[in-house]
Amino acid sequence: QKEVEQNSGPLSVPEGAIASLNCTYSDRGSQSFFWYRQYSGKSPELIMFIYSNGDKEDGRFTAQLNKASQYVSLLIRDSQPSDSATYLCAVNTGNTPLVFGKGTRLSVIA
Amino acid sequence: ETGVTQSPTHLIKTRGQQVTLRCSSQSGHNTVSWYQQALGQGPQFIFQYYREEENGRGNFPPRFSGLQFPNYSSELNVNALELDDSALYLCASRLGTEETQYFGPGTRLLVL
Repeated sequence: QKEVEQNSGPLSVPEGAIASLNCTYSDRGSQSFFWYRQYSGKSPELIMFIYSNGDKEDGRFTAQLNKASQYVSLLIRDSQPSDSATYLCAVNTGNTPLVFGKGTRLSVIA
Repeated sequence: ETGVTQSPTHLIKTRGQQVTLRCSSQSGHNTVSWYQQALGQGPQFIFQYYREEENGRGNFPPRFSGLQFPNYSSELNVNALELDDSALYLCASRLGTEETQYFGPGTRLLVL
């Protein structure tokens, strides 16, 4: 059974701070790792994906992957109240379906 | 906007009824996946269609069935609705074996 674990939160950070969201996965064969943002009542929106060990930056977002530790994280710099949402970690292997964690609820306090 | 649309946006049914949810994928996206997201949970994979054939299924009973059409639209059918079927139903499309999936806005189903 492939599993993806996330701390459900809520994670509260002040505006302007760095938010750090973490995710672990059970399947060592996982190849692709995705972070989705989901506002309440809306569908998941892709923020970024990462395939290789190390860091990948896109604007205020940085994804970090450590396959040896089966760990992937998302850093949000200069957090804004508009970043308040649930962040879903998802993994897959090739053409397999996405396996999602339950999500971490982030609250950015103005 | 992902170019993926779903209808209806909301639906209320009673236990035992049947429901059909619809999805229209981005043009050229020949792979569509359906997910069920219960409140407070992550999306759970129901099944996937590629070129109009089911090519993957999650841990859902046979009363969940689907179709994919040549025009990149698809359907999710659920028979004999149960209270636990109340959830947000999401479709996601992608091109072939590309790994990035794009979600539609979802259909929120409430079973009373």
